[in-house]
Amino acid sequence: ETGVTQTPRHLVMGMTNKKSLKCEQHLGHNAMYWYKQSAKKPLELMFVYNFKEQTENNSVPSRFSPECPNSSHLFLHLHTLQPEDSALYLCASSQGSLSVGGRNEQFFGPGTRLTVL
Amino acid sequence: QKEVEQDPGPLSVPEGAIVSLNCTYSNSAFQYFMWYRQYSRKGPELLMYTYSSGNKEDGRFTAQVDKSSKYISLFIRDSQPSDSATYLCAMHRAGNQFYFGTGTSLTVIP
Repeated sequence: ETGVTQTPRHLVMGMTNKKSLKCEQHLGHNAMYWYKQSAKKPLELMFVYNFKEQTENNSVPSRFSPECPNSSHLFLHLHTLQPEDSALYLCASSQGSLSVGGRNEQFFGPGTRLTVL
Repeated sequence: QKEVEQDPGPLSVPEGAIVSLNCTYSNSAFQYFMWYRQYSRKGPELLMYTYSSGNKEDGRFTAQVDKSSKYISLFIRDSQPSDSATYLCAMHRAGNQFYFGTGTSLTVIP
């Protein structure tokens, strides 16, 4: 496996379900991100982990709960979601904010297409 | 005012045309600028990464940054049907806070 992988690729869940999204990066990066992508909107940053520490939480509802057990893995735990949470959820990784020279380009996974019924 | 403005299109051009995609931004502290290509139902793929003002060329792609005007561009020469995708601009200061445009949908007609 190379780059950034995400599972599952598609997920349909009811509003009372609990599910988790998984992301794994094979790039040796130190920062990982969760984004939400909805039609005709910019990517919305949800969470950032830098060296396994959460550094950003952009006012995301508590029904989304991230977990970063190590610098290669990132999870997004979902519970009691709403239909408006249906979107493409993208994981990304980068060298991290302490990278030499400030270079910090992000590499994205293929995304999980989430539908909440 | 949005941090990053990008015309969503859609943009439709004939094969072989030169395509110009643009973004404007409001924060003069941005130093790093990126262009991503996103095919339908896929994640964004990094195309170009540039630092500060100037041009960067990679094959048929040229990225241009004009910090004085807060304006960035991506040019695609000899466009191909395989270039049909949504193109996202993105930028950041030093650190982990990235800002994205809404994306421009491009179709190259054979």
